[in-house]
Amino acid sequence: DIQMTQSPSSLAASIGDRVTITCRASQGISTYLNWFQQKPPKAPKLLISVASTLQSGVPSRFSGSGSGTDFTLTINNLQPEDFAIYYCQQSYSIPRTFGQGTKVEVK
Amino acid sequence: QVQLMESGPELVKPSETLSLTCSVSGDSVSSDKYYWSWIRQPPGKGLEWIGYIYDSGTTRYKSSFKSRASISVDMSKNQFSLTLTSVTAADTAVYYCARDRGYEFYIDSWGPGMLVTVSS
Repeated sequence: DIQMTQSPSSLAASIGDRVTITCRASQGISTYLNWFQQKPPKAPKLLISVASTLQSGVPSRFSGSGSGTDFTLTINNLQPEDFAIYYCQQSYSIPRTFGQGTKVEVK
Repeated sequence: QVQLMESGPELVKPSETLSLTCSVSGDSVSSDKYYWSWIRQPPGKGLEWIGYIYDSGTTRYKSSFKSRASISVDMSKNQFSLTLTSVTAADTAVYYCARDRGYEFYIDSWGPGMLVTVSS
């Protein structure tokens, strides 16, 4: 199975900050990397697919980049509604695997 | 717009079988564009992919579930289901059904999730 490792596991940030979350795959996955946002107890919501494609309706302050084994989710100008848990997920192979999550909290 | 909704018992006894159904509206489970998936999340923990079904009957599972999990589809009811046998407390989780866009390689829709507790 491909292991997905996110860093950091949590971070504290302020409104207006730029936040960067990284995701590393245990082997190359091309750009088959998706990012989800979860606000418990709700289901995850897809933000970005195939590393950098912003989903319809997702604010442009979210962006994704990377290929191979290293990926980044960036949130520019952090807004109150962005405090949540973020997960990366690889769709390169079965089983689909998720990172452990990064909790973005209020500083 | 597709909508998914999980249903089933909220409490299952240890060693018994967990059975959940996902009702789909706004799309057809017989569509060959999508893979119909089950994912779970233990309380306070991360997401774990269980498996999916596509092409009206082809299944793939995470290897750690392969002997216990079974996913099936009922096209007449536009539903798909998960059964998990010989459950233990470690199977206590929120179970999500989801739509995976197959060859586009991403999950675009989720049900709201359902907490299933394994306890005597």
